[in-house]
Amino acid sequence: EAGVVQSPRYKIIEKKQPVAFWCNPISGHNTLYWYLQNLGQGPELLIRYENEEAVDDSQLPKDRFSAERLKGVDSTLKIQPAELGDSAVYLCASSVAGGTGELFFGEGSRLTVL
Amino acid sequence: DAKTTQPTSMDCAEGRAANLPCNHSTISGNEYVYWYRQIHSQGPQYIIHGLKNNETNEMASLIITEDRKSSTLILPHATLRDTAVYYCIVRDNTDKLIFGTGTRLQVFP
Repeated sequence: EAGVVQSPRYKIIEKKQPVAFWCNPISGHNTLYWYLQNLGQGPELLIRYENEEAVDDSQLPKDRFSAERLKGVDSTLKIQPAELGDSAVYLCASSVAGGTGELFFGEGSRLTVL
Repeated sequence: DAKTTQPTSMDCAEGRAANLPCNHSTISGNEYVYWYRQIHSQGPQYIIHGLKNNETNEMASLIITEDRKSSTLILPHATLRDTAVYYCIVRDNTDKLIFGTGTRLQVFP
């Protein structure tokens, strides 16, 4: 069975440009998470979806970040415009709602903003 | 903020047991302790979790003190592939996993 798939794996852009990351969770997992990980730090939750509903987006900087999960399956995280401080790894994870709490993470998308 | 405290780094000889401590003195009665690890350039990987009883699976053992204020993750026979950052996490009542900075475990030959 395929794990959580993320793309692109790496992205380099100039500041003020837009960027988008895509995530396809494990089949049947209705909970999807986007995390941000800065160098040397643990992952920080940006947003959590239960099916297509964002149930926790309190840590998402809504002035420049947006996310969607229109059909309750795959998801897109967008940054517009990107800033130098957005350079980080963006991790997607999925889990089964009401399960043991085990999250399955993708390999992440590493963003470099120049 | 993370509700756990872990040492920044640890070393372990290959083949020996790696014992990774974690303090969670403010844990509530219904909060679980989770352990994840993150190998370089990969996403975090679930290891084990527990509430108050000791737990064991094919990857590791989790020992939780009786007062639940601390726990220890045990890798019984560490290998070079176990070199990673290990995160101890208390899962709150909103099901949110808040990662700290973890313990960087270096297994050496």
